[in-house]
Amino acid sequence: QSVLTQPPSASGTPGQRVTISCSGSSSNIGRNTVNWYQQLPGTAPKLLMYSNNQRPSGVPDRFSGSTSGTSASLAISGLQSEDEADYYCAAWDDSLNGHVFGTGTKVTVL
Amino acid sequence: QVQLQESGPGLVKPSETLSLTCTVSGDFVNSPTYYWSWIRQPPGRALEWIAYIYDSGSINYSSSLKSRVTISVDTSKNHFSLKLNSVTAADTALYYCAALYKWRREFEFWGQGTLVTVSS
Repeated sequence: QSVLTQPPSASGTPGQRVTISCSGSSSNIGRNTVNWYQQLPGTAPKLLMYSNNQRPSGVPDRFSGSTSGTSASLAISGLQSEDEADYYCAAWDDSLNGHVFGTGTKVTVL
Repeated sequence: QVQLQESGPGLVKPSETLSLTCTVSGDFVNSPTYYWSWIRQPPGRALEWIAYIYDSGSINYSSSLKSRVTISVDTSKNHFSLKLNSVTAADTALYYCAALYKWRREFEFWGQGTLVTVSS
């Protein structure tokens, strides 16, 4: 039922840069801001990025977000072992009149 | 800092009604700042938004679950609740309550989640 499409997995070695894409449509990412959530193994999701590219207090500046048209991206630079988690994008969808999440991307640190 | 805690039965029989409560601390459920939300995550799968309630009575439901879901708020107990009727095994999931920040629409705070299994 996910409306936003993400790659199922991404990986990198410590210190590398990893990018996760999130593809949507004109009714969600095309019109509304994107948020990103990090879900560490066995824990609840945590807000990682809001309003496309804003980091909540405490989130390292290694994480950055961007949008272009109907797509969004999350970049992790200087990858660290503690970044190993599932990442979800999310946005409001005007057509569905509801919130939609991405399919999720599992990031592995090699 | 808002804190949320889910509670309710961990096992529900097929065709029955799933009922969960989310107790809020650090703010009030009639606060103008947050939309009080339910989100679920089937084992090994993605997050799915279910519903939210705000301004003590305005409601939005997921279109896919709308026919089976009811969300409500109890200001005297400072909690909000979810009912999902006619459950099947497909409703087995971790159920999270969350606080959506009204002005930017991000889920700012989350409960720890509660696993609900639908099985006879």
